[in-house]
Amino acid sequence: ETGVTQSPTHLIKTRGQQVTLRCSSQSGHNTVSWYQQALGQGPQFIFQYYREEENGRGNFPPRFSGLQFPNYSSELNVNALELDDSALYLCASSVTLAGGQETQYFGPGTRLLVL
Amino acid sequence: GDSVTQMEGPVTLSEEAFLTINCTYTATGYPSLFWYVQYPGEGLQLLLKATKADDKGSNKGFEATYRKETTSFHLEKGSVQVSDSAVYFCALIKYNNNDMRFGAGTRLTVKP
Repeated sequence: ETGVTQSPTHLIKTRGQQVTLRCSSQSGHNTVSWYQQALGQGPQFIFQYYREEENGRGNFPPRFSGLQFPNYSSELNVNALELDDSALYLCASSVTLAGGQETQYFGPGTRLLVL
Repeated sequence: GDSVTQMEGPVTLSEEAFLTINCTYTATGYPSLFWYVQYPGEGLQLLLKATKADDKGSNKGFEATYRKETTSFHLEKGSVQVSDSAVYFCALIKYNNNDMRFGAGTRLTVKP
């Protein structure tokens, strides 16, 4: 158990809808990263939040957005859902120190199905 | 850009067999290297890591050595068990970066 929790565990939406996924980071961690894992593939970096600000973004469109709260928990929001957004969404927490960050620890994921 | 290449699976072994899963990377600078394991229906669990050349990461009988000269981080275990059946991901991240790069994963099935 990493201490990283995500909710919900599963979600079914239809095309065009919006979804919000939630992540609570491990105690003492100040950084949250989000990844999308399509079936049979490795995770792809969406973005990272540190000190409540976006701290890097992968190759994902603006309809993927996020927040980080003062308690370091985070949300991933996806607008105008498309069928290809169906995937496992993973949250990872870590500690960012001066000069860089430490190991990322992953939550169990939220499986999103878009119909 | 930075990337990780893993041997394609699936890999099927008998219990107590020796396991090697190859991983090579391309990166500028000096990345940290990781192996994560994913059991069916679950998230990723950190298996082991190495942060500099010649470091050996080890955990639960698994080992991997950071080889800068061959840009490799191969995962090995001397005697696999049925409970080791899972998907294994090799990954890298640079200390001043935030984007962890993963390989495509290698599915391991261990038969009794």
